[in-house]
Amino acid sequence: RKEVEQDPGPFNVPEGATVAFNCTYSNSASQSFFWYRQDCRKEPKLLMSVYSSGNEDGRFTAQLNRASQYISLLIRDSKLSDSATYLCVVNRGNTPLVFGKGTRLSVIA
Amino acid sequence: DARVTQTPRDKVTEMGQEVTMRCQPILGHNTVFWYRQTMMQGLELLAYFRNRAPLDDSGMPKDRFSAEMPDATLATLKIQPSEPRDSAVYFCASGSEGNTIYFGEGSWLTVV
Repeated sequence: RKEVEQDPGPFNVPEGATVAFNCTYSNSASQSFFWYRQDCRKEPKLLMSVYSSGNEDGRFTAQLNRASQYISLLIRDSKLSDSATYLCVVNRGNTPLVFGKGTRLSVIA
Repeated sequence: DARVTQTPRDKVTEMGQEVTMRCQPILGHNTVFWYRQTMMQGLELLAYFRNRAPLDDSGMPKDRFSAEMPDATLATLKIQPSEPRDSAVYFCASGSEGNTIYFGEGSWLTVV
């Protein structure tokens, strides 16, 4: 079983829609959590960190459920420019980041 | 803008040839990572260095892959001999302890 599991998608949604991605992690020692975004033929870039109390950045909301070892990303009012692959990432403290395989999102006009 | 620089950007080579990928981390970052990305496996850690010392290379096939950091401004990943199954995107990333990491644009390797 992979340490970080994500639904690969693709999620095809119309502009303006709300879409949610889920991610589960297997190692209960995981301490830090992130969402990265990767555009086609580009490198992954940090989208946002995920905090225990949940956090919001504009149209993006991230939530963490430590008991269920579950992370989510909600995108409201989807834009065409949101089309990308979203990578769920966990960190067990002073160790390298572990990446999920990503969920592909296509926002359609 | 400070960024991680990788070369080559694209490489097509024949099976059996040596491939060397280079990475210049962001100045001041003390940790350097090599990741490989494929459709099947996603992003996998190959090796990483902290303060130029190799900390973990267990993700790397030892018989053909080697990673080094000859100085603080250069990390290398070498494949010798290369095989078709090595075809992937190889990303270098750098960061400082406790902070986020930044990726280079990747080296797109095709072994035919």
